[in-house]
Amino acid sequence: GAVVSQHPSWVICKSGTSVKIECRSLDFQATTMFWYRQFPKQSLMLMATSNEGSKATYEQGVEKDKFLINHASLTLSTLTVTSAHPEDSSFYICSGPGLGTEAFFGQGTRLTVV
Amino acid sequence: LAKTTQPISMDSYEGQEVNITCSHNNIATNDYITWYQQFPSQGPRFIIQGYKTKVTNEVASLFIPADRKSSTLSLPRVSLSDTAVYYCLVGDIESGGGADGLTFGKGTHLIIQP
Repeated sequence: GAVVSQHPSWVICKSGTSVKIECRSLDFQATTMFWYRQFPKQSLMLMATSNEGSKATYEQGVEKDKFLINHASLTLSTLTVTSAHPEDSSFYICSGPGLGTEAFFGQGTRLTVV
Repeated sequence: LAKTTQPISMDSYEGQEVNITCSHNNIATNDYITWYQQFPSQGPRFIIQGYKTKVTNEVASLFIPADRKSSTLSLPRVSLSDTAVYYCLVGDIESGGGADGLTFGKGTHLIIQP
């Protein structure tokens, strides 16, 4: 299957700072990638669709100014959590597109804001 | 994507066969059924996908009755390492995750005991 690499695996940052998470497709090119968020003991929730060369599409309730998404190339999408606060602490996961419901996910990034 | 219903949790023992059933009463003609496995602090991993009858791979089997309103993921001879959350998703193979991102339900937390 397709390989999606996410970095870093975990990050701790101070409240008010910004954190960037990278998502790379290693063996395929993707005009579209997806970002999810998962709180403890909950399911994955789609945050936004990252579109290469154009603006990201955000799901209802997700602040686009807080979660900046950049998809500058066909193999890299980045998610920047700006002015992070403790309530932004979560597990962030990216995925490449797939066929229907078959998608390939990154390893995830555990963000802890202190 | 069609809504799915799964048991919240299941327990079993090493060496047993485990069957997890998913209900999807509103499945559409073009929809496929896909199962994912997620370990703590990791991204979901694709397990198996099917449309009707039976699909088998090296990891699991997927049984789909003729009316396709439910499906059963069968894990043969489970081990402790099969303890994870299992998600059932239903969607159109032509769009779904390829264009719109995935909608995850609550999943089934499978716990395997020695």
